[in-house]
Amino acid sequence: EAGVTQFPSHSVIEKGQTVTLRCDPISGHDNLYWYRRVMGKEIKFLLHFVKESKQDESGMPNNRFLAERTGGTYSTLKVQPAELEDSGVYFCASSLYGNEQFFGPGTRLTVL
Amino acid sequence: GDSVTQMEGPVTLSEEAFLTINCTYTATGYPSLFWYVQYPGEGLQLLLKATKADDKGSNKGFEATYRKETTSFHLEKGSVQVSDSAVYFCALSTGGGADGLTFGKGTHLIIQP
Repeated sequence: EAGVTQFPSHSVIEKGQTVTLRCDPISGHDNLYWYRRVMGKEIKFLLHFVKESKQDESGMPNNRFLAERTGGTYSTLKVQPAELEDSGVYFCASSLYGNEQFFGPGTRLTVL
Repeated sequence: GDSVTQMEGPVTLSEEAFLTINCTYTATGYPSLFWYVQYPGEGLQLLLKATKADDKGSNKGFEATYRKETTSFHLEKGSVQVSDSAVYFCALSTGGGADGLTFGKGTHLIIQP
């Protein structure tokens, strides 16, 4: 069974540009989560989808971040426009019944 | 708000040494507690968990006991191996794991042969 996959693995963009991160959860997992780790700090929760609905988006830092989950399958996280402080590693996780979360390898975003 | 504090590394040990990574938490109610491990180039993997006070989670020789009185969930292993080198994250959930997890900063463990 394939695990959670994320694309791209690395992204380097300039301040003001737009970047879209993608997450493919484990097939059949209704719960999908986004997290972010800024260098030297904790992994922070961003938001939680149940199927295509946003269950909790309390961790989204501001309106430059937009998350979608088309048809309850894969999810995208768009940052527009990107700022320097958005640099970090973005993790996606999925779970079946909301007990154990399975994490992807992360996307490392660098904003110059 | 909820928070997790864990010792920051790197922690460097020799093979077969005893390992303790401290973790304490602050949370409302009775959270579930987790240890995740991230090996180089991989995603976080659940190592063990405990859902109520005095529960002991264990896996791959690692153990951690949910101590409500000290709000702690310290990770221990009696004899570490080079393959245990990784980053270890302590985390909590107030929704049984279904909500967003609250993580500590992570502890980088390096085991030398």
